[in-house]
Amino acid sequence: ETGVTQTPRHLVMGMTNKKSLKCEQHLGHNAMYWYKQSAKKPLELMFVYNFKEQTENNSVPSRFSPECPNSSHLFLHLHTLQPEDSALYLCASSQARGLTEAFFGQGTRLTVV
Amino acid sequence: AQSVTQPDIHITVSEGASLELRCNYSYGATPYLFWYVQSPGQGLQLLLKYFSGDTLVQGIKGFEAEFKRSQSSFNLRKPSVHWSDAAEYFCAVAPFIGGNNRKLIWGLGTSLAVNP
Repeated sequence: ETGVTQTPRHLVMGMTNKKSLKCEQHLGHNAMYWYKQSAKKPLELMFVYNFKEQTENNSVPSRFSPECPNSSHLFLHLHTLQPEDSALYLCASSQARGLTEAFFGQGTRLTVV
Repeated sequence: AQSVTQPDIHITVSEGASLELRCNYSYGATPYLFWYVQSPGQGLQLLLKYFSGDTLVQGIKGFEAEFKRSQSSFNLRKPSVHWSDAAEYFCAVAPFIGGNNRKLIWGLGTSLAVNP
């Protein structure tokens, strides 16, 4: 139990679908992150939220839309994805943005068909 | 550009053998340093970290790592590997990016297989 829970664990979606990934942390942290993990590539930081405010967007295509309603929850809304978006999407949290000891969820394995 | 290099993409060791996974970074000052482990189908779990002080750091699951400033390295070691250690290991560094903020920069990972 890492304290960071992601749902669903697996998702298969068509390119015209709309779906959402959910992340919840039970650690009392104030910063939350979305990462994309693809084979043969370093972990890619997508979005950062600090105290519910988005502080970083690393040139992520608009077909990925994050939402952070409170410090414990983070969503990633997906629409009109491409097959190359298939990857493991990891959510993480940390006490604060400046302290990068991050705790990760188990990830959502996304397949776009 | 800041970077993290894990020279070994894949390593196979026998159970009970010693292990060393290499990590080198490119950054002017000493960043925060981390090792994470990822078991199949799982997220990343922090093994150990170095911020300052003693350059030999003890972590969970019997792992340790040594920071060598002169070599810009932070190698992970374990004296006796168990079959359950088979996983992907990621080195990460966190240099300052301004203010109080740091940003994690990740290596590509080393896949560890353990032979019985």
